[in-house]
Formats: sequence, C-alpha cells, structure tokens
Amino acid sequence: QSALTQPPSASGSPGQSVTISCTGTSSDVGGYNYVSWYQQHPGKAPKFMIYEVSKRPSGVPDRFSGSKSGNTASLTVSGLQAEDEADYYCSSYAGSNNPVVFGGGTKLTVL
Amino acid sequence: QITLKESGPTLVKPTQTLTLTCTFSGFSLSTSGVGVGWIRQPPGKALEWLALIYWNDDKRYSPSLKSRLTITKDTSKNQVVLTMTNMDPVDTATYYCAHRYCSGGSCYGVPFGYWGQGTLVTVSS
Repeated sequence: QSALTQPPSASGSPGQSVTISCTGTSSDVGGYNYVSWYQQHPGKAPKFMIYEVSKRPSGVPDRFSGSKSGNTASLTVSGLQAEDEADYYCSSYAGSNNPVVFGGGTKLTVL
Repeated sequence: QITLKESGPTLVKPTQTLTLTCTFSGFSLSTSGVGVGWIRQPPGKALEWLALIYWNDDKRYSPSLKSRLTITKDTSKNQVVLTMTNMDPVDTATYYCAHRYCSGGSCYGVPFGYWGQGTLVTVSS
C-alpha cells in the first residue's frame, strides 16, 4: 500500500483539463512544500514534471501545473493532448528518515 | 549529458542476495549536492523508493526495507551499488537508479531529475 493516495484512473477528451489528486498526511504532503509529479509512459522510465508543488523544470509544457491545499496536492493537465496519456505519480518528502514517498499512481486516459 | 544505467542479474532465487550496480556519466558523486537513489516498480504496480546516497556519503533507506538494504558508492568508478538480502518473489520488479541534485544546500524533496532505463529482476526458484 502506497504512502500517498491517488485515484487509480482519470480521463478527459483532447483539449479538456483534468486534475489528479494526491492525498497524504501532515507528515508528508501537508507538512512540506516538497511535492513532485512524475509522468511515465508504458515501458519507459519516469520523467519529472513538477517539483516543489508547482515548479516546472525547463522543457515541461505550461499545460502542466501543480498546487496544494492542506494534505492534498494536485496535478492539472490543461489542453489535453494524446501524448499526455500516461501514468502519473506524486511524490513527497516525509522527513529525514523517509525522504521519498510515492503515490499509487494514476492512469490518465485521453479519450 | 547525464546518463545512468542499471546492471545486475535478471533472475535470482528466493533467499539470495541481489546486487545491482548503477553506472553513471555526466556528473560526479564527489560533487557537493549530488545524490543517487534506487527506486523499484513491480510489474503493473507503483513506484517504491528504496535508498539514497549523497556526495558526502550520507545514506537513507526506506524504513520498511532498511534491514535488507545497503547502498554504497565508488566515486572513482562512477558507480553506486545496492544490495538487497533475502530476496522473495514479491521483490520481482524493475529497479531504477536516478540522479538528484540538492540545490542551495537543501536536499529536502529534491526530485529525481534523471533516471536510468531500469532493469527487471525476477525472483523465482
């Protein structure tokens, strides 16, 4: 059982927006502004898309955005495109003795 | 250009010890702020963080697997080695190594920016 809870699936049509949630506790998501999001296409290694809740590394489209409220972080993908279909994982810092916790992953389907 | 590549056995027997090597290029583990981690993913399942080692030899382990894991680095060879004892079929997974950089002196929540391709390890008798 993963430390962070994500919905197993999400979907949207091309051009629409979809939001994926990531729920933790005050010991991880709620306690720190250190949430990252990763995108993983089938058979590929994960690619980080968001860090420190809402920051985008260079090269990631601004269609991807992150936010946090309390113990729940969210990833929003706007203007859905076919290539956005992938699995998405959130990750959070959870203290010096458990610096990395992952969510269970969400499969995003572009209808 | 940063690259990482995992190597090791593809098949191990239950109770055996797994040794995986991450060979990297494009950075040095003697550079302040640099870290390398191991993450695994059972087939069809979620990512699970295993261990981290930093430039200053600071090591962190997943609390649930700490008793079975050892992570070491060989700076001269640009390698990080992970050993996992007492392997079980539930440990069957793709094992990834990944790079992180602690900017500004803080390693809190730094993402894994570069990943290896992963190596599938099957545990079976």
